[in-house]
Amino acid sequence: GENVEQHPSTLSVQEGDSAVIKCTYSDSASNYFPWYKQELGKRPQLIIDIRSNVGEKKDQRIAVTLNKTAKHFSLHITETQPEDSAVYFCATKYYGGSQGNLIFGKGTKLSVKP
Amino acid sequence: KAGVTQTPRYLIKTRGQQVTLSCSPISGHRSVSWYQQTPGQGLQFLFEYFSETQRNKGNFPGRFSGRQFSNSRSEMNVSTLELGDSALYLCASSLPGLSLNTGELFFGEGSRLTVL
Repeated sequence: GENVEQHPSTLSVQEGDSAVIKCTYSDSASNYFPWYKQELGKRPQLIIDIRSNVGEKKDQRIAVTLNKTAKHFSLHITETQPEDSAVYFCATKYYGGSQGNLIFGKGTKLSVKP
Repeated sequence: KAGVTQTPRYLIKTRGQQVTLSCSPISGHRSVSWYQQTPGQGLQFLFEYFSETQRNKGNFPGRFSGRQFSNSRSEMNVSTLELGDSALYLCASSLPGLSLNTGELFFGEGSRLTVL
């Protein structure tokens, strides 16, 4: 089945710095790559996603890049703020089943120090 | 629109018991997925239901089962509980996706199960 590896597991940055989280996947058939943010004690929520026919997507301070050849994608957060502190999960849509399901990485705990 | 609702929010069981968790999806969402969240293991896929049928299943033992009702509400059951089953169980609903539809997952707040 699909395997999604996410690095680093923890990341600490100063407010205003950039943060980068990387994920690799194994199944070349995966074609959808979302990122979810989970604040402490809250539910995961989608923050940005990218499809396999696009190399990069931006939304204000966050961006995601995809390298299909190398099978990896990354989340970039610029000008980090304390409210960016959370656990971030990458995911791929794996089509081992008939309709596909999201397989998540193990998460990155981002801490932004004021 | 009401979000995904999970009940109960917290529960404590002892080894060997069984538990049933409930999930009510967002109105109009027909796909319901279940995930187990534990520290360090992230979100592990349990199974997905659509129109009362299990479409996908993760790598969990047969003690973990689920079902979906005609109103799209879903339940999952864990029998013969083990200490390692202690986790946050998250339910997520989505609109059924066409091949080009991403199918964003909308998560509930989860049911936190503690097995003693």
